[in-house]
Amino acid sequence: TQLLEQSPQFLSIQEGENLTVYCNSSSVFSSLQWYRQEPGEGPVLLVTVVTGGEVKKLKRLTFQFGDARKDSSLHITAAQPGDTGLYLCAGGSYQGGANNLFFGTGTRLTVIP
Amino acid sequence: GAGVSQSPRYKVAKRGQDVALRCDPISGHVSLFWYQQALGQGPEFLTYFQNEAQLDKSGLPSDRFFAERPEGSVSTLKIQRTQQEDSAVYLCASSLAPGYGYTFGSGTRLTVV
Repeated sequence: TQLLEQSPQFLSIQEGENLTVYCNSSSVFSSLQWYRQEPGEGPVLLVTVVTGGEVKKLKRLTFQFGDARKDSSLHITAAQPGDTGLYLCAGGSYQGGANNLFFGTGTRLTVIP
Repeated sequence: GAGVSQSPRYKVAKRGQDVALRCDPISGHVSLFWYQQALGQGPEFLTYFQNEAQLDKSGLPSDRFFAERPEGSVSTLKIQRTQQEDSAVYLCASSLAPGYGYTFGSGTRLTVV
């Protein structure tokens, strides 16, 4: 089992604050994806990182893949109420002829107006 | 279609009843995955298809779970003799090819009473 632990599990912050969500594992992954999921919907892909040490920025979101490809972080600057949701990291591992994704435990973010 | 479509959106089954959950992937997507998501948790891998071939079914929790994709497009996840612990959201995802990003459906929420 390739376990991905996310921290914190729950996060409630005021609009305009910054935050960081962490995703850690003892396993090495070929890629790391971040998703956001809203109630009653499936996860929506935010970003894929594939190279150790890679940093990607999408507007106010910054994603980093650890050098050893075992961990990742998501940093949100100036959080807005629209950022509220469940954030999931997912590690890609090629096995059994498939590039399977193993999901983390999730971080539920609430941004208070 | 434009996205991954799952039906039904909600299903209530009496314990012991058989259920069938349907997934219509994005047209042309080779890879199809089924995940189970318990309340407040990240999705857990069930099974993977590449076209009509089921390459990995290691995540199916018991022999009551069965999935098929006979023509390499629509897939059905069948659960026989449902139990209360089967209550969860069942998510389907498709991908253009192995290694590409996933698009998830909105899921089927199964409640076993």
